[in-house]
Amino acid sequence: DTGVSQDPRHKITKRGQNVTFRCDPISEHNRLYWYRQTLGQGPEFLTYFQNEAQLEKSRLLSDRFSAERPKGSFSTLEIQRTEQGDSAMYLCASSLVVVDTQYFGPGTRLTVL
Amino acid sequence: QKEVEQNSGPLSVPEGAIASLNCTYSDRGSQSFFWYRQYSGKSPELIMSIYSNGDKEDGRFTAQLNKASQYVSLLIRDSQPSDSATYLCAVNPTGNQFYFGTGTSLTVIP
Repeated sequence: DTGVSQDPRHKITKRGQNVTFRCDPISEHNRLYWYRQTLGQGPEFLTYFQNEAQLEKSRLLSDRFSAERPKGSFSTLEIQRTEQGDSAMYLCASSLVVVDTQYFGPGTRLTVL
Repeated sequence: QKEVEQNSGPLSVPEGAIASLNCTYSDRGSQSFFWYRQYSGKSPELIMSIYSNGDKEDGRFTAQLNKASQYVSLLIRDSQPSDSATYLCAVNPTGNQFYFGTGTSLTVIP
């Protein structure tokens, strides 16, 4: 499968715990995006990388959220001290710089108890 | 004002009819426009992209763009029950960040 992959697909955690998600983009894609989606809403932009550089981060993104893409390939999104309001689907997408069409991974569904 | 606005629906059409989905956007300088389909519990799946004014056809799907009116639409001809999903409009105003609408829920009635 050469599409975008995400791991884990589901995560249940207790409030206050830290969680980390992984995204593997389509291999030749140099842009990688993270989104959050709650029920009845469209995907909300969190941050994006071009290669290993994090170029933009949503102003709405709490300091508890951090993302990395250390070698310009896979990326991780960490949420520290999770809150119930963090419960959502976390989506990763990738694209080429020259063609801005994004392709989404299957998502990680986070439930904070 | 939201960057991208869509009628949340639900929109119901009979099987075989044309479904028309609409989207407006606020940034007049936007250059890239996308339609995604999202089944319940799944991630968005790209249907079409459009960059120039006018129509773009791909099978049963036609995207229409009118930059002067800041309006994008998606027509689905010969609608099938398998088309029942939420359709998301996305706009990329700056070449970096994408903005999505809240989606329109479509139900095709057999």
